[in-house]
Amino acid sequence: SQQGEEDPQALSIQEGENATMNCSYKTSINNLQWYRQNSGRGLVHLILIRSNEREKHSGRLRVTLDTSKKSSSLLITASRAADTASYFCATIGSNYKLTFGKGTLLTVNP
Amino acid sequence: DAGVIQSPRHEVTEMGQEVTLRCKPISGHDYLFWYRQTMMRGLELLIYFNNNVPIDDSGMPEDRFSAKMPNASFSTLKIQPSEPRDSAVYFCASSPYGTGELFFGEGSRLTVL
Repeated sequence: SQQGEEDPQALSIQEGENATMNCSYKTSINNLQWYRQNSGRGLVHLILIRSNEREKHSGRLRVTLDTSKKSSSLLITASRAADTASYFCATIGSNYKLTFGKGTLLTVNP
Repeated sequence: DAGVIQSPRHEVTEMGQEVTLRCKPISGHDYLFWYRQTMMRGLELLIYFNNNVPIDDSGMPEDRFSAKMPNASFSTLKIQPSEPRDSAVYFCASSPYGTGELFFGEGSRLTVL
């Protein structure tokens, strides 16, 4: 069963705009990760945030984590058409199993 | 490094046939994972290995599914007999750490007619 649930399921924006995706999870976690999947390809790791961290940046990506609310958000700034992909959050708990949500499909229109 | 290598990339077979999917993890990675992706169920963890030993196979759907890792550079996922509901994309991923990032292969798209 999925641990994380992304919201929204789909998001369509114009190039240059920011995109925000949210993830909620149910049980305590060791860390939370975000992945990207282009159509027909494998998943690519974007960023990992540990349970004792609140915010992390990587290039145009900003991830926040609120363990009290069991939620995380991924912000992509100044989006590009090449950012069009599905984005997944994944959580890992004490059982060391990485479980994924169903993803947010982001479409960036040129 | 070439990354995680999976084969075949596409497989079309008929119900009842045996299917074998193959994976070569990144050298030096101690963890190997098999996931299945469908539109309905998303990404499901089937089984994972640590140092070639199966640690958790609770996600394997039925006895028709089996996975092996005879050495650090090779793993197989076998379905026998295959059924149409097994149609999915099967991903292999490896990781140097149990709680770190996963490196995914490009997947094997299986269609069972």
